[in-house]
Amino acid sequence: QVHLQESGPGLVKPSETLSLTCSVSNASISSYYWSWIRQSPGKGLEWIGYVYWSVNYNPSLKSRVTLSIDTSKNQFSLRLNSVTAADSAVYYCVRGRSNYGDFDYWGQGTLVTVSS
Amino acid sequence: QSVLTQPPSVSGAPGQRVTISCTGSNSNIGADYDVYWYQQLPGTAPRVLIYDNDNRPSGVPDRFSGSKSGTSASLAITGLQAEDEADYYCQSYDHSLSGCVFGSGTKISVL
Repeated sequence: QVHLQESGPGLVKPSETLSLTCSVSNASISSYYWSWIRQSPGKGLEWIGYVYWSVNYNPSLKSRVTLSIDTSKNQFSLRLNSVTAADSAVYYCVRGRSNYGDFDYWGQGTLVTVSS
Repeated sequence: QSVLTQPPSVSGAPGQRVTISCTGSNSNIGADYDVYWYQQLPGTAPRVLIYDNDNRPSGVPDRFSGSKSGTSASLAITGLQAEDEADYYCQSYDHSLSGCVFGSGTKISVL
């Protein structure tokens, strides 16, 4: 069974950088499209971007986001800089079967709060 | 504001049939991109219910079905059960945004 697990700080100060890592089990990180999706409290889902052999970002976040893959560790990572309170959300790492989405496996999610 | 529009809430009695609409445009659903549906139970991560417009992954009851026509898609739940109370999201691809887009989400309540 494919398993995804997010890790990283649960609290980030305003203007600093949010960094999360997703560890993938029972699936090759070299295949599939690996995405980050977030959900602000009480709100809907927002796609942040995916990393594959290339990257693609949500235009609304593109200037602040960097996604990367570490094939040696079977992990992928998210960096979001210059965060504000509006970036407080549950962040999910997700496997996509295509670049059009088709998200078939999700991590449990990790809550990140932006506050001083 | 979400690119794909869903009704905020839908309710029904146990055993009834309910449908959730997902309205897009000619840059996403209308451009023949596939639609996916996800169910999010309270306090949990979403899980895929429907992929490629009308296909169910193994383990998803056949009470759930999806369809697509023009710039819209629909999720139908027949024989509504208490365990179906959850939030439901549609998802597709938008070529104007060059990325994945989600619907605004619909909360299903079982009366």
